[in-house]
Amino acid sequence: DTGVSQDPRHKITKRGQNVTFRCDPISEHNRLYWYRQTLGQGPEFLTYFQNEAQLEKSRLLSDRFSAERPKGSFSTLEIQRTEQGDSAMYLCASSLVAGLTDTQYFGPGTRLTVL
Amino acid sequence: ELKVEQNPLFLSMQEGKNYTIYCNYSTTSDRLYWYRQDPGKSLESLFVLLSNGAVKQEGRLMASLDTKARLSTLHITAAVHDLSATYFCAAHEGSGYALNFGKGTSLLVTP
Repeated sequence: DTGVSQDPRHKITKRGQNVTFRCDPISEHNRLYWYRQTLGQGPEFLTYFQNEAQLEKSRLLSDRFSAERPKGSFSTLEIQRTEQGDSAMYLCASSLVAGLTDTQYFGPGTRLTVL
Repeated sequence: ELKVEQNPLFLSMQEGKNYTIYCNYSTTSDRLYWYRQDPGKSLESLFVLLSNGAVKQEGRLMASLDTKARLSTLHITAAVHDLSATYFCAAHEGSGYALNFGKGTSLLVTP
């Protein structure tokens, strides 16, 4: 299967610990996005890469969050000094611009629980 | 900032009935998307609507876009249980790349 994959699928951590999530996009896609989804809400945009360049960050992305996409392939999202409010599903999506469309294809997500 | 509002947020309908989900967005957007999410799963792309008057259909679902009214609709025809899921609409702010999502419409189709 060549869909978007994310690892781990679940992460439980204690408040104050650092966590890192990985996303592998669809291989030919050059855009990669991170979103956060809490229960009963739609996904909220966090950040976006075109190839290896991080082009946009949401104000939701505090200085405890950092994302990288080395060599324009997989991406990592790190959260430092986690807080209980960081508990959420973290979704990665990728897309390939084709004409006017830029449909984002989502991965299965990483569910983070901060105790 | 682009705001996307869906209604209703919860919908229980009987099999065989028709219903429409509404999605309003607050500022200009050049693309409107509909996604489906099953419980515990990720989002599946259903439709992308690019222009005023665009209509797309897949099975029992039909989506339309009215850019002047900043309104998109997702119409369900003769609902079946398999359509039970949460449906999200999303739009780009202007020509940006980030998607702004509505809160979702949780649909339950009952016998």
